[in-house]
Amino acid sequence: EDKVVQSPLSLVVHEGDTVTLNCSYEVTNFRSLLWYKQEKKAPTFLFMLTSSGIEKKSGRLSSILDKKELFSILNITATQTGDSAIYLCAVEARTYGGSQGNLIFGKGTKLSVKP
Amino acid sequence: ETGVTQTPRHLVMGMTNKKSLKCEQHLGHNAMYWYKQSAKKPLELMFVYNFKEQTENNSVPSRFSPECPNSSHLFLHLHTLQPEDSALYLCASSLEGHVNEKLFFGSGTQLSVL
Repeated sequence: EDKVVQSPLSLVVHEGDTVTLNCSYEVTNFRSLLWYKQEKKAPTFLFMLTSSGIEKKSGRLSSILDKKELFSILNITATQTGDSAIYLCAVEARTYGGSQGNLIFGKGTKLSVKP
Repeated sequence: ETGVTQTPRHLVMGMTNKKSLKCEQHLGHNAMYWYKQSAKKPLELMFVYNFKEQTENNSVPSRFSPECPNSSHLFLHLHTLQPEDSALYLCASSLEGHVNEKLFFGSGTQLSVL
């Protein structure tokens, strides 16, 4: 059975800390891995990773994929209170008639950044 | 603002009620999705529509009935729900429903079934 496991499930840090969030997966016919940030309700897209070893970077956030070891990490440096959110990892594993959206999500990591 | 709008934001209903959730996207996308997010569980895909045609139904009980009258609007009709159906229902859209497209999510409808 396809699955995506995120760790830790929750994390509390102080402003300025650096955090690393983990996502491991076991899926059939891997296509891509995506990270989303969910503040309040609507998940918003952060990164899409399809190739191993290529770091994607956006400001203080970065992510990398290891397709051999089947995991990805999301790094956040110099954390701020506005980084507090649930970070979701999702893997697109197979297509049904070409339709995407059959993403397999992990349970998420709830990050709390204290001032 | 993601360009995907869901109404209502909150809904409380009894098990015998009939209600509908609405989703509208202003992004010019052609694929729309319903996801369910329960407490302490991963997001679960419920339905996918590509160009108004349903292309995915993930073994969802018939008490949930989707409707997609056009590429910009998506509904989820609810009737005789159970308390375990209480969850956050998220709508999403993507450009053409192809692989490696990112999803744009709405803010969801928080549903409580009493």
